[in-house]
Amino acid sequence: DAGVTQSPTHLIKTRGQQVTLRCSPKSGHDTVSWYQQALGQGPQFIFQYYEEEERQRGNFPDRFSGHQFPNYSSELNVNALLLGDSALYLCASSTRATRRRETQYFGPGTRLLVL
Amino acid sequence: DQQVKQNSPSLSVQEGRISILNCDYTNSMFDYFLWYKKYPAEGPTFLISISSIKDKNEDGRFTVFLNKSAKHLSLHIVPSQPGDSAVYFCAASARYGGATNKLIFGTGTLLAVQP
Repeated sequence: DAGVTQSPTHLIKTRGQQVTLRCSPKSGHDTVSWYQQALGQGPQFIFQYYEEEERQRGNFPDRFSGHQFPNYSSELNVNALLLGDSALYLCASSTRATRRRETQYFGPGTRLLVL
Repeated sequence: DQQVKQNSPSLSVQEGRISILNCDYTNSMFDYFLWYKKYPAEGPTFLISISSIKDKNEDGRFTVFLNKSAKHLSLHIVPSQPGDSAVYFCAASARYGGATNKLIFGTGTLLAVQP
């Protein structure tokens, strides 16, 4: 049973560029959440996708956008990159199918460095 | 405003002894709490969770205690093993339509278990 997968593992971009990160959820999961983890901090919630729609959003600017596909995989897009966007980007998957509170399972993350 | 706080950045324990990691929260709407373990270059791994209707949950060597009146929870690891050395994150969530909710994380505690 494959867990949550993310690609790429590492990425280097320059200021002003755009980046797309990808996530495939754990088998049987239909909800994807994205988090940003800066150095020395805990993960911070960016947004959550379910049924191909953004359902919840954290305190991040509109430069951060996402998408969920019919197969439940998801993309995180960041436009006009800033140096402060350098971080580990984590994808977490869960399921709403049982309409209970479910644990979120994390992928290995994508390390983004903005120069 | 840090809603979830882990005031000890690091903790060192001898192998075989008990490790106690602490977490405080401020938002009284939080009703579900989780602990994650994170090794370098990996995503957070789910350890154990507790609902606010309970005050204790046990899974093998790991026990989480919740004191709602003090808005405090703790993770006990007994006995501690060198492989437990990692960063431990406390996370909390509030009910949102009965579905999977965004997690609010603390800043983590680095546990070092000495052989």
